[in-house]
Amino acid sequence: KAGVTQTPRYLIKTRGQQVTLSCSPISGHRSVSWYQQTPGQGLQFLFEYFSETQRNKGNFPGRFSGRQFSNSRSEMNVSTLELGDSALYLCASTTGTPDNSPLHFGNGTRLTVT
Amino acid sequence: GESVGLHLPTLSVQEGDNSIINCAYSNSASDYFIWYKQESGKGPQFIIDIRSNMDKRQGQRVTVLLNKTVKHLSLQIAATQPGDSAVYFCAENRPSGGSYIPTFGRGTSLIVHP
Repeated sequence: KAGVTQTPRYLIKTRGQQVTLSCSPISGHRSVSWYQQTPGQGLQFLFEYFSETQRNKGNFPGRFSGRQFSNSRSEMNVSTLELGDSALYLCASTTGTPDNSPLHFGNGTRLTVT
Repeated sequence: GESVGLHLPTLSVQEGDNSIINCAYSNSASDYFIWYKQESGKGPQFIIDIRSNMDKRQGQRVTVLLNKTVKHLSLQIAATQPGDSAVYFCAENRPSGGSYIPTFGRGTSLIVHP
């Protein structure tokens, strides 16, 4: 079974631009969640999507948004980029069922904002 | 706010020793706990989990202990190997919207010397 796939692997953007990151979950997984990882703040939860609906949201500004498609693939968008948005963005998938399963992470997209 | 923290940022051991990584959590609503391992350039990988109705769970060479009284979690790795060198995160999970919102510890870097 293929793992969680994130594209692109690396991105360099300029302040003020916007960026879209993509995530393909493990086949059969319906929940996709996104995380920001920085040396200063560690690993922080952004939001979770299940059946094309945002089910949970972390404490990030509205510049961070996402969506999920009918095939469970998800995209995350960051608008009006700031230098502080430079980070590793991780996507994870689970079955999304009540008994829950551990998060299965992709290898992330490294975003650098200059 | 609620937080999860690790007592030791770096743990250095000799190959063959047993390793113990500790984690404190503060949200009493959390009822599901997970340990992840993250190697350089990769996303976190699931190691072992435990639910709040248990105080101990064993896997292959790993054991997780949960003390709800003092809100403490530990990961024990038996016969540590060089391949165990990585950053280890604990995550407490709070039920929300039919899923969980995870809060991650800052991570402990485990260095295994041959």
